[in-house]
Amino acid sequence: DIQMTQSPSSLSASAGDRVTIACRASQSIANYLNWYQQKPGKAPNLLIHAASSLQGGVPSRFSGSGSGTDFTLTISSLQPEDFATYYCQQSHDIPFTFGPGTKVDV
Amino acid sequence: QVHLQQSGPGLLRSSETLSLACTVSGGSLRNYYWSWVRQLPGKTLEWIGCIDYTGNTNYNPSLNSRVTISADTAKNQFSLRLTSVTTADTAVYYCARLRSGVDLDYWGQGTLVPVSS
Repeated sequence: DIQMTQSPSSLSASAGDRVTIACRASQSIANYLNWYQQKPGKAPNLLIHAASSLQGGVPSRFSGSGSGTDFTLTISSLQPEDFATYYCQQSHDIPFTFGPGTKVDV
Repeated sequence: QVHLQQSGPGLLRSSETLSLACTVSGGSLRNYYWSWVRQLPGKTLEWIGCIDYTGNTNYNPSLNSRVTISADTAKNQFSLRLTSVTTADTAVYYCARLRSGVDLDYWGQGTLVPVSS
């Protein structure tokens, strides 16, 4: 299975901050990388697909980059509603696998 | 707007079979794969498997021998069956649409399934 790692595991930030979350795959996955946001008690919500494509309805302050094994999710100006846990997920190989998550809080 | 509504019993005992259904509204099962994902308590997400409307399936090898995913196009519904559950299967189970076979763009509300010993 392809192993996904994320850093940091958690971070504290304030509204207006620029936030960057890293995701690394154990082998090359081209651009088969998606990012999800999950709030407590809710299902994950797709933010970014194919490493850098913004999902419809997602604010433009979210962006993704990278290819191969190293990827980044950036929130350009953190908003109060962005405090959540973020997961990366590879869809290059079955079984699809998720990173351990990065919790963004105050 | 596509909506996924999950149904099925919650509490199970060890060795029983978990059965969940996911009914899709606002769209058809055709032309997409449909997935099940679970989230163990305090843990990350685990992909269980997927199915398309013709019945083609892919499963996570870690659960392969215990998992069956099926689809009923007449009901616009797909289902998960996990046999011989243990307390390690206690999780929130989600159904989701697998778009283009690569990303999960619509999700059900989630079902907490506690398994007692």
